[in-house]
This record gives sequence, C-alpha cells and structure tokens, in this order.
Amino acid sequence: DARVTQTPRHKVTEMGQEVTMRCQPILGHNTVFWYRQTMMQGLELLAYFRNRAPLDDSGMPKDRFSAEMPDATLATLKIQPSEPRDSAVYFCASGSRETDTQYFGPGTRLTVL
Amino acid sequence: GENVEQHPSTLSVQEGDSAVIKCTYSDSASNYFPWYKQELGKRPQLIIDIRSNVGEKKDQRIAVTLNKTAKHFSLHITETQPEDSAVYFCAATYEGINDMRFGAGTRLTVKP
Repeated sequence: DARVTQTPRHKVTEMGQEVTMRCQPILGHNTVFWYRQTMMQGLELLAYFRNRAPLDDSGMPKDRFSAEMPDATLATLKIQPSEPRDSAVYFCASGSRETDTQYFGPGTRLTVL
Repeated sequence: GENVEQHPSTLSVQEGDSAVIKCTYSDSASNYFPWYKQELGKRPQLIIDIRSNVGEKKDQRIAVTLNKTAKHFSLHITETQPEDSAVYFCAATYEGINDMRFGAGTRLTVKP
C-alpha cells in the first residue's frame, strides 16, 4: 500500500530559525502539493509541482517560504525565518492525471515559539 | 478559478441517525468531486468521489449525489457510528488534479 511520507512528523523551533520539511510522493506520481492546515483556515494550498516544475505558488508567502523538487522522489518546503504565525500542520499530497485524486502524507506539525 | 463552499461547518447527530453535508461550486466546467475524511491528528483520506457523468454513487453507508444544474453535491452518511466522527472535506476540480479546490470542512460528531 504505497503512501506519501513526510519528515519530520513534529518540529518545535524558535522564531527566526530555518525550518525544512520533506515529502516523498508515491512512486509514479508526477504532481506534488503543499498545504497548510490551521484550526481556522482548513486546507490552504501553498504550492504545487508537476514533473518537478512549479506550477502555482501563489498561496505561499514569497518572502519567507520556498518550495522545491530536487528530484522526482523528494519535495521540500522551507521557511526562513520562521515566525509564530507559521505554526500549523503542513501536508504534502501527490497524485497523477490517471488517479485524478490526491493522496495525503501524514503531515508535519510545526510549532514556532 | 473554482470556489467551493461547504455547509454546515459543524454537525452533531445521534448514533444511528443520518448526516448530510452539502457543497456548492462555482465553475460549471468542474467534473470531479472527491470527499475526504480527516480523523483527529490524521491525514485527510479519500472516502468517495463522483464524476460529472453520474448523478449518484454509493458505497455501503456513504453516498454522494451531484446536481450539475444547481452546481451542488452532497455527502450522505446513513446509520452513523461514533467512528464516523471526523472532519469531512469536499473538493471540486475540472483540470484533473491541477486545480482542486477544497471546501472549508465540516466537523461531524456522532454521539453514542
């Protein structure tokens, strides 16, 4: 049963520190999404990639957030510098045109003190 | 772009009763409508989906209906059980998975 994996599962850091979250999409999936979830905002799309190319990152604060796909098996989301308002659960999801749906990873729970 | 609205935001039912969650979408070109269930502390997981070429789909106790004319679709859960308690998200898309938009979620509580 193939699944999307994310690391770390939990991260506690202090304001101003750099945070890097990693995602391994399901093998064969060519589209990767990053979402942020808070109690008040539901699932907020930050960015997504197809075939490793960024297609839309309009939901992402550009001054501190960056997303990349160094290769087909790894997507990263980086926050530098982090702020307390970035505290949330960050989900990665992957999919393909054949499946039409998105499969979510377990999430990274980020707490910025 | 697509805009999806979901109602209600919270829903509480007695075990054994039915629950209905409704979503509306704005783009008439949308053709794929999945529903996700998210248990506390877990990832959202697909529970059922429907495409625009059918009006209803059923899987055991859950069913989804689609009204393309009115641009709304609904999730129906019958004979609810405490393990149905979760947050449910609807979504809509017309470009495959490129442009999926999620509703704000419905927190369902099933009281024993």
